Amino acid sequence: AQTVTQSQPEMSVQEAETVTLSCTYDTSESDYYLFWYKQPPSRQMILVIRQEAYKQQNATENRFSVNFQKAAKSFSLKISDSQLGDAAMYFCAYRSGGMGKSTFGDGTTLTVKP
Amino acid sequence: EPEVTQTPSHQVTQMGQEVILRCVPISNHLYFYWYRQILGQKVEFLVSFYNNEISEKSEIFDDQFSVERPDGSNFTLKIRSTKLEDSAMYFCASSFGTSGVETQYFGPGTRLLVL
Repeated sequence: AQTVTQSQPEMSVQEAETVTLSCTYDTSESDYYLFWYKQPPSRQMILVIRQEAYKQQNATENRFSVNFQKAAKSFSLKISDSQLGDAAMYFCAYRSGGMGKSTFGDGTTLTVKP
Repeated sequence: EPEVTQTPSHQVTQMGQEVILRCVPISNHLYFYWYRQILGQKVEFLVSFYNNEISEKSEIFDDQFSVERPDGSNFTLKIRSTKLEDSAMYFCASSFGTSGVETQYFGPGTRLLVL
């Protein structure tokens, strides 16, 4: 079974600074996808960014980018120019290429200080 | 942009009562899911549903739980006899396909409190 580990229960960043959230996963599959979701206090799950395992290029979405290290099974999220609205719980998730369900990590609570 | 909707947003029930949580997936999606998040914990997979049958379920999804697509638009999760530990946020999700390339869209969740 696949597992997803987020080793940082809490992180904080100064507004306008950069922060990196860590995620590692364990799988024996070669075809899979990785995701970062943001969960604000409303608890809605919002997709931030996704990465296909077969792609070597790291995904980028505006201020959000990932560092995908396939051999190390590492998938970190970098948030540049942090904004107060970025404060939320962030979940890393794994999805097999052929299976529907997502497997989530424990989450990292991000605080943004003004 | 299309979205998954869920009703009710909040539900309070007494232990032992039956509850039905409702979801309207995105209209052209074929795969439907329920997840659960106990307060302060990770999001956990409960069940996936395709072609009017359960395609996968977790160990959490025991005989107290059932899912149904009663019509062409709704997807429901029923808990037959609620327990205190069923208190959680329940998320519905849908996708066009099962492959990871198909984005899984989550609804806003139903917050269930069992007293």
